[in-house]
Amino acid sequence: DGGITQSPKYLFRKEGQNVTLSCEQNLNHDAMYWYRQDPGQGLRLIYYSQIVNDFQKGDIAEGYSVSREKKESFPLTVTSAQKNPTAFYLCASSMGARSTEAFFGQGTRLTVV
Amino acid sequence: QQPVQSPQAVILREGEDAVINCSSSKALYSVHWYRQKHGEAPVFLMILLKGGEQKGHDKISASFNEKKQQSSLYLTASQLSYSGTYFCGTEENSGYSTLTFGKGTMLLVSP
Repeated sequence: DGGITQSPKYLFRKEGQNVTLSCEQNLNHDAMYWYRQDPGQGLRLIYYSQIVNDFQKGDIAEGYSVSREKKESFPLTVTSAQKNPTAFYLCASSMGARSTEAFFGQGTRLTVV
Repeated sequence: QQPVQSPQAVILREGEDAVINCSSSKALYSVHWYRQKHGEAPVFLMILLKGGEQKGHDKISASFNEKKQQSSLYLTASQLSYSGTYFCGTEENSGYSTLTFGKGTMLLVSP
């Protein structure tokens, strides 16, 4: 079945450590996105990529980095520069054209202690 | 800038109706609606485009007022499965635009 997979579902890290969240899709979608979700804040865009080897910052990119070396994969690294990294992270993909449905992964809940 | 959703929360009994609103200060190309159950992925419900085209769920209806940059989602004869948080995402009129989501409306349907 086609879909978008995030791993792991739960992640714990010590403060000051970088951590990478995985996102893979087999929908043949061009565009991929990373959102951060905090209680009562909705979904806020971190980074997005419309094509392989290209990506753009979203509204809250500081302290995060991404890569898009393959169409299927869009990993997100939460660096030690991110001041408040504990959150629920959602990856999504779409065909990339305007007004196309976004498909979301199940999310990764990151807790930094 | 995030669109504004109202109300923030709604509690219904099964069978009752609800309306969720989404309002933007920007000129919009489209409005998207998603539902998310706790700890799960948001699920697509509907897209409304300027000009009147709609794509999405057969059992859910919505409207898009292009002049006011407002959209409303209509949930009629609510079922227990309708419970969750509803998000609108807006796509601006100018060039390529990513979705900007509102803060969500929590809906609880009780028996």
